[in-house]
Amino acid sequence: ILNVEQSPQSLHVQEGDSTNFTCSFPSSNFYALHWYRWETAKSPEALFVMTLNGDEKKKGRISATLNTKEGYSYLYIKGSQPEDSATYLCAFISAGNQFYFGTGTSLTVIP
Amino acid sequence: DVKVTQSSRYLVKRTGEKVFLECVQDMDHENMFWYRQDPGLGLRLIYFSYDVKMKEKGDIPEGYSVSREKKERFSLILESASTNQTSMYLCASSFLPGQGFCTFGSGTRLTVV
Repeated sequence: ILNVEQSPQSLHVQEGDSTNFTCSFPSSNFYALHWYRWETAKSPEALFVMTLNGDEKKKGRISATLNTKEGYSYLYIKGSQPEDSATYLCAFISAGNQFYFGTGTSLTVIP
Repeated sequence: DVKVTQSSRYLVKRTGEKVFLECVQDMDHENMFWYRQDPGLGLRLIYFSYDVKMKEKGDIPEGYSVSREKKERFSLILESASTNQTSMYLCASSFLPGQGFCTFGSGTRLTVV
């Protein structure tokens, strides 16, 4: 079993605060790293696909960075809004085409 | 609108029953996956398939089997349902070799009594 760790497990922030969380994964056998957003009662939805060391991706107030040499990715949310409340999942995709998901970071943004 | 469709949203079965969970995708994806989601444990891979009639065990295959007779359909089978298989089951699909996003179904909440 391959270990993909996300921290923190849960997070409460005030509306307007910026926040970030971490996904750690093995630095070997890397193919890609995905971030997903999972709202309650919905299916996970894709945010970013990242493949190259040093990649930075941005979508609105959300951005992500990737360090494949040390095996981590950060997800940043600038100026959090209540609608950002969700569980954020990362997935490590191995060169063998397997998807390994972390346990997620549950974000609650308090109005 | 592309989608992954799971046949049932909620299912209640008795211990010992054989249970079939069906998943169909309309995106011509090669990869299909079955995950279960339990509180505090995230998504755990049960089985995946990268081609018709091909299957690979994931992290927790015990008590499950799968069938992929057609590219668009991936079935999860609980040969003899047990109470510890009560969970949310999510099907997903993606293109090879894994650069494309996973697209998820809406999930099946299975309760085994």
